Amino acid sequence: DAKTTQPTSMDCAEGRAANLPCNHSTISGNEYVYWYRQIHSQGPQYIIHGLKNNETNEMASLIITEDRKSSTLILPHATLRDTAVYYCIVSVNTGTASKLTFGTGTRLQVTL
Amino acid sequence: DAGITQSPRHKVTETGTPVTLRCHQTENHRYMYWYRQDPGHGLRLIHYSYGVKDTDKGEVSDGYSVSRSKTEDFLLTLESATSSQTSVYFCAISDGTVNEQFFGPGTRLTVL
Repeated sequence: DAKTTQPTSMDCAEGRAANLPCNHSTISGNEYVYWYRQIHSQGPQYIIHGLKNNETNEMASLIITEDRKSSTLILPHATLRDTAVYYCIVSVNTGTASKLTFGTGTRLQVTL
Repeated sequence: DAGITQSPRHKVTETGTPVTLRCHQTENHRYMYWYRQDPGHGLRLIHYSYGVKDTDKGEVSDGYSVSRSKTEDFLLTLESATSSQTSVYFCAISDGTVNEQFFGPGTRLTVL
């Protein structure tokens, strides 16, 4: 599976957009990009995923570069409740499972 | 929230004893996963199931076994617990190989 590189930590002011980058330069054509987040010691929470096209849902937007070697998760209006560790994951679906390999993620701190 | 529970939520046991963790879902999802999370690490996949009685290994399966005799339950057994298996264990469910995984609240296991 392709590995990902994320900054260790980022800060964002409440109400501003949070842009979290991720590099996945060895991604293969059939591998998806997933984003999850983990608040405190809770179970991870799914945010969004994509293959080639940009995606948007009620939580966030995912921008994938044309060469698919990097992506950005955008939280349009960050709130204090968005403080969490954000994981960028590249996963190939084998037909029997989607094997997610979590790295150490980016710790996003949203401040007043 | 997805209907997924884990039991027990906390357990302290001694080295060499067998331990079984239970994951129970009410969503009728086909796929179920067991992960472990250690300090400074993201989640790592232990075992997964793609149907009743259909299971396979993840990246850190040594010392663990699983069973799934019905759709709603996925059991993780530590055959002879060791201190290196002290961790937080998360179960996840999914209704498709591409679709998002929903995580349970976790089980904190301490092996003395």
